Amino acid sequence: KAGVTQTPRYLIKTRGQQVTLSCSPISGHRSVSWYQQTPGQGLQFLFEYFSETQRNKGNFPGRFSGRQFSNSRSEMNVSTLELGDSALYLCASSLAPGLANEQFFGPGTRLTVL
Amino acid sequence: DQQVKQNSPSLSVQEGRISILNCDYTNSMFDYFLWYKKYPAEGPTFLISISSIKDKNEDGRFTVFLNKSAKHLSLHIVPSQPGDSAVYFCAAKQAGTALIFGKGTTLSVSS
Repeated sequence: KAGVTQTPRYLIKTRGQQVTLSCSPISGHRSVSWYQQTPGQGLQFLFEYFSETQRNKGNFPGRFSGRQFSNSRSEMNVSTLELGDSALYLCASSLAPGLANEQFFGPGTRLTVL
Repeated sequence: DQQVKQNSPSLSVQEGRISILNCDYTNSMFDYFLWYKKYPAEGPTFLISISSIKDKNEDGRFTVFLNKSAKHLSLHIVPSQPGDSAVYFCAAKQAGTALIFGKGTTLSVSS
């Protein structure tokens, strides 16, 4: 079974631009969560989707948004990029919400904002 | 306000010895705790977990201990191997909420 895939793997943007990251969960998984990893803050939760509905949201500004499609694939969007948005963005999938020990992470998208 | 804290950014251990990684939390409502391991250029992988109703869980070389009164958990790796060198994240959750992660501890195991 294929793992969680994230595209693109690397991205370079400039301040003020917007970016869309994509995540394809493991086949059969319907819950997708997004995290931001930075050296100073570790992994911080962005949002969680299940059956196309956002179930939980972390403490991030409204510039960060996401959505989930009917095939469980998910996208996150960051508008008006800031230098501080440079980070590794990780997506994780599970069969259903709450199954933390059965949550599988993708390799991440490394976003650099110049 | 950091609810999950890993106060040691790094730990160096010799091969064959015990590695002890520590984690403190502040939210007494957390009922499930996990450890993840992360290699460079890869996403974190689940290692071991423990429910708040237990105080110990073992899986091979890995044991997690939970001290609820001290709001402290630790991961013991015995014996440590060079392949264990990675960043280890402690995470916690309560029912219906997302995982809260610590900032990670980089473990280096030398041969």
